[in-house]
Amino acid sequence: EAQVTQNPRYLITVTGKKLTVTCSQNMNHEYMSWYRQDPGLGLRQIYYSMNVEVTDKGDVPEGYKVSRKEKRNFPLILESPSPNQTSLYFCASWSGNSPLHFGNGTRLTVT
Amino acid sequence: AQRVTQPEKLLSVFKGAPVELKCNYSYSGSPELFWYVQYSRQRLQLLLRHISRESIKGFTADLNKGETSFHLKKPFAQEEDSAMYYCALGGYSGNTPLVFGKGTRLSVIA
Repeated sequence: EAQVTQNPRYLITVTGKKLTVTCSQNMNHEYMSWYRQDPGLGLRQIYYSMNVEVTDKGDVPEGYKVSRKEKRNFPLILESPSPNQTSLYFCASWSGNSPLHFGNGTRLTVT
Repeated sequence: AQRVTQPEKLLSVFKGAPVELKCNYSYSGSPELFWYVQYSRQRLQLLLRHISRESIKGFTADLNKGETSFHLKKPFAQEEDSAMYYCALGGYSGNTPLVFGKGTRLSVIA
């Protein structure tokens, strides 16, 4: 089954403790992206990747890092999380003119 | 620059009433427009794309390049249509990351 898998689904952490949210897709898509979803602000792109070892900043990249060492994986790294990064995060992948396939989301709370 | 505007944060309609969710865009190239839907506690999923020109779950959307709009319409709303709807814009080549509007929450009242 074609899917985008994010882990974990829920995460509660404290300010400053590094964390990684994983994202994996099994569709051999070239493109992958991370979004955060906040009430009243909709979906905002954090980072995206056009291919292995090719990443670029989206609209709200501050405080986040990504890497694309393999085509299927696109982890999101928060080196020093802060409370304003409390949000619902979605990973997505796509290829050419295909629509985006989204993961189930990761709800992150930073206290 | 790409921009998508959904002017309504919340739209409440009665069951059986017509629905129109507005979407306007700004893009200098050849746009590709999408509507994504997010039901409660679920992932976003594609509802419509303008190049398909199809009707999904009774919803349709027509790209109006003159008015730079891609409004989503349904003649008779159902309770199960209650969800968050996002309009999205991408370049036609497909390798431009999508820009999403802020979303409109549709609430269908019985």
